[in-house]
Amino acid sequence: GAVVSQHPSWVICKSGTSVKIECRSLDFQATTMFWYRQFPKQSLMLMATSNEGSKATYEQGVEKDKFLINHASLTLSTLTVTSAHPEDSSFYICSASHPGGITGELFFGEGSRLTVL
Amino acid sequence: QQPVQSPQAVILREGEDAVINCSSSKALYSVHWYRQKHGEAPVFLMILLKGGEQKGHEKISASFNEKKQQSSLYLTASQLSYSGTYFCGTEWGAQKLVFGQGTRLTINP
Repeated sequence: GAVVSQHPSWVICKSGTSVKIECRSLDFQATTMFWYRQFPKQSLMLMATSNEGSKATYEQGVEKDKFLINHASLTLSTLTVTSAHPEDSSFYICSASHPGGITGELFFGEGSRLTVL
Repeated sequence: QQPVQSPQAVILREGEDAVINCSSSKALYSVHWYRQKHGEAPVFLMILLKGGEQKGHEKISASFNEKKQQSSLYLTASQLSYSGTYFCGTEWGAQKLVFGQGTRLTINP
């Protein structure tokens, strides 16, 4: 099946630093990718829609200046958490749909666990 | 609009059956079901698009009611590998999924 890969799998950083997470579609082109955030034992909350070649669309309540999204190519979207603070610690997951896959099926990356000290 | 799942948690013995429900106050375009193991990414199970639709694979099946406001996921003769958190998702714009709060399923030997 289609593969979506995230990197890094986990990252620990100091408060105030910025962290970049990459999401790659390995065997297909994705014009649209999605970024989710998941706190322990909670649901996946959609943060933003990443659009290749244009600005990301953010969900209500998500700070666009805090969570910078760049979708510079058809296989790569990046999420940068700027000036991270402990409350930003979470599991960040990206997803994309494969053009040749089942209608509506999303493929998720492995997730990136961010811990801000 | 986040769909509502019930129950929040289920504990079963291997071989028992389970039903997980997903409902919305408005008719849905589609409903998606995913399973997530601890520390891993969600894995697609199935999608239902039509009112009255039922589909399944092996011992996991799902239905979508005629009004397209409720879906149920059925796990028959559960196996240990079925353990995890199950999420239903509804489309909110092109390909954009909004997930329910999840149902944690624990299968004991």
